[in-house]
Amino acid sequence: TQLLEQSPQFLSIQEGENLTVYCNSSSVFSSLQWYRQEPGEGPVLLVTVVTGGEVKKLKRLTFQFGDARKDSSLHITAAQPGDTGLYLCAGGPPRGEYGNKLVFGAGTILRVKS
Amino acid sequence: NAGVTQTPKFQVLKTGQSMTLQCAQDMNHNSMYWYRQDPGMGLRLIYYSASEGTTDKGEVPNGYNVSRLNKREFSLRLESAAPSQTSVYFCASSQRDYSNQPQHFGDGTRLSIL
Repeated sequence: TQLLEQSPQFLSIQEGENLTVYCNSSSVFSSLQWYRQEPGEGPVLLVTVVTGGEVKKLKRLTFQFGDARKDSSLHITAAQPGDTGLYLCAGGPPRGEYGNKLVFGAGTILRVKS
Repeated sequence: NAGVTQTPKFQVLKTGQSMTLQCAQDMNHNSMYWYRQDPGMGLRLIYYSASEGTTDKGEVPNGYNVSRLNKREFSLRLESAAPSQTSVYFCASSQRDYSNQPQHFGDGTRLSIL
């Protein structure tokens, strides 16, 4: 069974600070997706990384996939109150395994105070 | 654009009652999924349908059944509800059942079982 561990579980920071959220596993994933979820809504995809070592940037958000495709990180620069939400990482099946079943981490609750 | 629509948004059941959660997508997607989200546990896959006419078990299928009614609709049924099934249920869809495909989520059904 593939497992994804996210850390920290909860993060409360001031506007303008930087932060990093981690997603780790002992399993190898074909891809890693990051979703953001707001209260009362479903998760919304932020990014998909598929190649070991890949780095993707989305404005102030930087996503990295580990070289061995077992871990990923999300770094936010100069956080804003609008970044507040639940951040979820999700791993795709191992290479060679068919399908789009995702394994989700437990999530990181981010609160950015103004 | 409606995307993925789930009904109802809220429901309270008594132990032993049955209920069907409805999900419909208007994006012409082939694959659909049912997840449950519990505090501290992220999202866990209950059942999925890779394409119209097929369904498969996910990580936590016990106590649930599904029906892929047509390409648009995928329902989740609780035959005899138990308090352990109190959760938020999310339906999602993706274009294909390929790894790396983004999943689009509905806004969830909040289900309480007394």
